[in-house]
Amino acid sequence: EDKVVQSPLSLVVHEGDTVTLNCSYEVTNFRSLLWYKQEKKAPTFLFMLTSSGIEKKSGRLSSILDKKELFSILNITATQTGDSAVYLCAVWQGAEKLVFGQGTRLTINP
Amino acid sequence: GAGVSQSPRYKVTKRGQDVALRCDPISGHVSLYWYRQALGQGPEFLTYFNYEAQQDKSGLPNDRFSAERPEGSISTLTIQRTEQRDSAMYRCASSLAPQSTDTQYFGPGTRLTVL
Repeated sequence: EDKVVQSPLSLVVHEGDTVTLNCSYEVTNFRSLLWYKQEKKAPTFLFMLTSSGIEKKSGRLSSILDKKELFSILNITATQTGDSAVYLCAVWQGAEKLVFGQGTRLTINP
Repeated sequence: GAGVSQSPRYKVTKRGQDVALRCDPISGHVSLYWYRQALGQGPEFLTYFNYEAQQDKSGLPNDRFSAERPEGSISTLTIQRTEQRDSAMYRCASSLAPQSTDTQYFGPGTRLTVL
């Protein structure tokens, strides 16, 4: 059965800390892995990763994919209170199926 | 049908015209999602429905965009007074359960080109 597992499910840190969110997957016909940030209801797309070992970076956020070990990490450096959100990992299987993880709820305390 | 279907598959329109994009989800699926996807990017949420109720439309770019799902099945995404920047692939997905993290099944998309 296809599955995407995120860890931790919840994380509370202080402003300025660096966090690493994990996503592991087992899917057939893997195509790409996506990260989203969900603050209210509609998630915001962050990254799409297709190739192993190539880091994608956007400001303080970065992500990398390991297709051999079947996982991805999302790093956030110098966290700010505005980074508080649920971070979703999803794996694109084939052309039509997007399998989501449960999400990591990140809380940044001032 | 077996999967999510969308129509039309391709739509070319002139700037200023209105367009309506249709999505027919998998039978029995509670949730329906609309996305816009740029080449090489992941799908960007626009809006989604549980049954006929629109849960969130904050992803819609502006008030020219609207969506409905009046009977909890087929949905229509309408773009009024189209602009060239609206050109994109519009994709619809459905999922069995009303959870944003449930597996979503995508349709083939509608490629919209605004001239």
